[in-house]
Amino acid sequence: RKEVEQDPGPFNVPEGATVAFNCTYSNSASQSFFWYRQDCRKEPKLLMSVYSSGNEDGRFTAQLNRASQYISLLIRDSKLSDSATYLCVVNLEYGNKLVFGAGTILRVKS
Amino acid sequence: EPEVTQTPSHQVTQMGQEVILRCVPISNHLYFYWYRQILGQKVEFLVSFYNNEISEKSEIFDDQFSVERPDGSNFTLKIRSTKLEDSAMYFCASSDGDGYTFGSGTRLTVV
Repeated sequence: RKEVEQDPGPFNVPEGATVAFNCTYSNSASQSFFWYRQDCRKEPKLLMSVYSSGNEDGRFTAQLNRASQYISLLIRDSKLSDSATYLCVVNLEYGNKLVFGAGTILRVKS
Repeated sequence: EPEVTQTPSHQVTQMGQEVILRCVPISNHLYFYWYRQILGQKVEFLVSFYNNEISEKSEIFDDQFSVERPDGSNFTLKIRSTKLEDSAMYFCASSDGDGYTFGSGTRLTVV
């Protein structure tokens, strides 16, 4: 089983749409969870950390379900600039290596 | 905003040659990492470095690879005798134990 699994997509959505991405992880000892964004041939950039209580940052909402080992990202009111690959990332403890999913491609069209 | 700097941005090398990829982590960070991403594939962990020694390495990080922190600011990845399959983006990252910051990467092309 892959350490971090994501639907590769692509998700093709119109501007203004709401889109949700899911991710599962295999190691129940994982402590930290993140969503990163990666533009074509660029470095991963942190979008948001994911907390057990769920957290929101503007149009982005992240949820964590430890029992199901499941992480989600919801993007509301999609913008053209949201087009990117969204990477689900976990690690066992702070300072340790990050384990990346293969990413979900989002394409927002006008 | 502090950033991780990587040089060169692109390197072309002949198979069998040695390359050194350079990184300047964020100055107050204590954890350093190298990752690689083969075109079209996921980001893969290579090695982590803490307290002047390797703290963890992946199966990919074999004897062909080495890391060094030669002074107080640089963090280097050396690949001896490059192979065609070493062609990839190599990302350096640093962390204060909480957040992780990635450099913009070095695109290595082995011909």
